[in-house]
Formats: sequence, C-alpha cells, structure tokens
Amino acid sequence: DIVMTQFPDSLGVSLGERATFNCKSSQSLLSRSNNKNCLAWYQQRPGQPPKLLIYWAFIRESGVPDRFSGSESGTDFTLTISSLQAEDVAVYYCQQYCNTPFTFGPGTKVDF
Amino acid sequence: QVQLVQSGAEVKKPGASVTVSCKTSGFRFNKYGISWMRQAPGQGLEWMGWISAYSGHTNYAQKLQGRITMTIDASASTIYLELRNLRSDDTAMYYCAREKDPSDFYPFFDYWGQGTQVTVSS
Repeated sequence: DIVMTQFPDSLGVSLGERATFNCKSSQSLLSRSNNKNCLAWYQQRPGQPPKLLIYWAFIRESGVPDRFSGSESGTDFTLTISSLQAEDVAVYYCQQYCNTPFTFGPGTKVDF
Repeated sequence: QVQLVQSGAEVKKPGASVTVSCKTSGFRFNKYGISWMRQAPGQGLEWMGWISAYSGHTNYAQKLQGRITMTIDASASTIYLELRNLRSDDTAMYYCAREKDPSDFYPFFDYWGQGTQVTVSS
C-alpha cells in the first residue's frame, strides 16, 4: 500500500498569515496516462464531510478560493493557504488515487 | 444540484451486519463510480471500496475482503454498502462519495454524502 505522511500534525496560524501543509507519498504518484501526480487535497471542517480543494496535485476545484494552491516536487506535495481566513479552520487531508487501496494522509489540523 | 443522501445512524452488536444506503440525484447516475470511506472517532479517512454505477464492477480494500459488499439499485439511483461480522473497530462515520472524473480509474471525490454513524457495541 502507498503510505501518505503529513506534517505537521497541527498548525497554529494567525488570521491573514500564510499556512503551509506538507504531504509525502511512499512511492511515486506519477500517472502514466497523463504524466500528472494522482494527489488530491481535502478540507474537513468539524462535523462535516471532506471538501475537495485540489486535484492532480495543483488543479484547484471549481469554487475554491484562489488563496488555496497546490504544488509538487517528486513525492513531496504542498498545500498553501496564502492568507488564512477564519473559515479555514479545519483538518486538511491529502489522498493518493494512483493505486488501490486509495490512501489518505493522517491530516493536519489548523487552528489559531 | 448533485446530492448524495445517506441513511440514518445504526447501532449494531458485534458479529451483526449493517447496510448503509446512499441515494443520489442531480447527475447521470450510471456514468459515475462511487466510493465508500469511513472515519473512526478522531481519526483520519479510510477508503473502503468503489463501485461502478455503470457496470456494477467493484474494487474493495483488501483488508475488508470477505466482509464487504457494495451494490447498486439503478432504478433508484442508490448505492448500498453492506459490512458483515461487525467488530468494535468498525465503529465510525461512513461516507459515500462520487468520483469527479469517471473517464478513468483515478477516483478523487467532488461530492460527499452527509455521513452515517455506525456504532458497534455489545
């Protein structure tokens, strides 16, 4: 199974500050069909299901604010919130969808 | 609009079975695949398996093989998850989710059900 690691476990950030989340996969996530990384990011607010933010490592889902961005370097992936807003308090998960079982990272919790 | 509406909370005894439903609307049902995930209290997300609403083909997580079955009722645009021989560590919130891009088997999920709490307790 592909193991997804996320760090830090939690992040204390002030309003308006930049927040950076890291995710690392135990194997390459490069898809042979389109040469993109099979990596998605989700936001989960308390008591809610996850919400898709980013897919193919850097493509922002429709309706997601442009303060959210994804980047990649080999098997290392980063989600950045350029200016944290109050509604961004949540847990953020990465997910690989290259190989079954599709696996999620343990999440990074953001609060103030 | 796209909606996935799940059935209500369940309380089961160890060794029993549970069936959770996921009724969909707002999109062409037989074009997409649906996955089930679960989330134990205070924990992360675990992918359980996938079913094609087009063909009924399934792909289950190996750790659940033998205990899990996913089925579809195309006439009702509904997907079912059955988990058998329940244990206490099956206690979790269970989610169904639609894959965003059905053109290939690269499931990431753009619409999620609201979740169904399954509690296994003697």
